Amino acid sequence: QSALTQPASVSGSPGQSITISCAGTRSDVGSYHLVSWYQQHPGKAPRLLIYEVTKRPSGVSNRFSGSKSGNTASLTISGLQTEDEADYYCCSYAGSHTFVVFGGGTKLTVL
Amino acid sequence: EVQLVESGGGLVKPGGSLRLSCAASGFTFNLYSINWVRQAPGKGLEWVSSISYTGSYMYYADSVQGRFTISIDNAENSVYLQMNSLRAEDTAVYYCARDSGPWYFDLWGRGTLVTVSS
Repeated sequence: QSALTQPASVSGSPGQSITISCAGTRSDVGSYHLVSWYQQHPGKAPRLLIYEVTKRPSGVSNRFSGSKSGNTASLTISGLQTEDEADYYCCSYAGSHTFVVFGGGTKLTVL
Repeated sequence: EVQLVESGGGLVKPGGSLRLSCAASGFTFNLYSINWVRQAPGKGLEWVSSISYTGSYMYYADSVQGRFTISIDNAENSVYLQMNSLRAEDTAVYYCARDSGPWYFDLWGRGTLVTVSS
């Protein structure tokens, strides 16, 4: 069982917006502004989409945005495109014993 | 080209050892911490270990503490993961990832597959 809880799957149609939730605890998501999100296509390495809850690395589309409320972080993808179909993982710093925890991943299907 | 390249994976018997390497190029290696993250077949990502660019700080997941050792060679721009007492549940693709920090990974290698099986 993963430390952070994500829905196993979400789906949407091209052009729509979807949100993926990432539920943690006050020991990880709730205590640190250090949530990141990764996209992974089949057979590929993960790719950083969001860091420090809301920041986007250069080269990442502004269709991807992050937020946090309490112990839950969220990734929103607007204007869905077929190439967004992938697995998405949230990640959080969890203090000086556990260090890093990932969510179980969410499979996004673009219908 | 800015990249990380893993090597050293393979098939090993339970209880055996393996040493993974992560070679960095195209960036100033000694400015970043490097992490290992693994992914069991069909499963999610699991953080394994981290080392600071000085080698002064090393951190491990509870699942590998005492069995895995991370090390760094700044002269070779490389990080290593020595894996001992391997178990079936260590079977995974092992990625090395650059920490542009704190605690987010902006550059990943392609991964190397470790299979622990008799």
